[in-house]
Amino acid sequence: GQNIDQPTEMTATEGAIVQINCTYQTSGFNGLFWYQQHAGEAPTFLSYNVLDGLEEKGRFSSFLSRSKGYSYLLLKELQMKDSASYLCAVSDSSGGSYIPTFGRGTSLIVHP
Amino acid sequence: DTAVSQTPKYLVTQMGNDKSIKCEQNLGHDTMYWYKQDSKKFLKIMFSYNNKELIINETVPNRFSPKSPDKAHLNLHINSLELGDSAVYFCASSPRGSGTHYEQYFGPGTRLTVT
Repeated sequence: GQNIDQPTEMTATEGAIVQINCTYQTSGFNGLFWYQQHAGEAPTFLSYNVLDGLEEKGRFSSFLSRSKGYSYLLLKELQMKDSASYLCAVSDSSGGSYIPTFGRGTSLIVHP
Repeated sequence: DTAVSQTPKYLVTQMGNDKSIKCEQNLGHDTMYWYKQDSKKFLKIMFSYNNKELIINETVPNRFSPKSPDKAHLNLHINSLELGDSAVYFCASSPRGSGTHYEQYFGPGTRLTVT
């Protein structure tokens, strides 16, 4: 099984930088995903990490430390449209499947 | 447009009824999924299915059953609906590769309300 923990809610100011943390415990780690979900909409893929280190994609970056069971999503130059829920999901290969398990999500509120 | 589509978008029904939600993807993906997102926004896997295997989350009641007429479709059938089934149900697909990562493409969701 898996245990994924991330903060329930965060607030930040437009133009600032915010870091959303995710910790996990899993028996057969096979990758970590970050998804963005706006209210009333479907989740959309942001990033994937399977090796340690930082993956940068525009204003968004994702970091992984497998030894610590830790990841973070870094959002730079925050915009109002970044207000959304950010879901951390871990893929576990134990049992032969690769289905990701989602955390409860972090609701990010960006204010002017 | 290439996408994952679901119908209906909203579904209101009474306890005890049987209902189905349809899902179609034209992305050519091998694997499809059903997720349930409750009022607390917790996204929970229900089923994963490709042409070889069905993986069922053991916590899902057997009133829920996935039906796949072909590779591009995975419908969700629910028998004897209960109040606790009220949630948003998301269909998703992914290009599953052995040992490789795969991002999931989600449908727009079906908001089910059981009264």
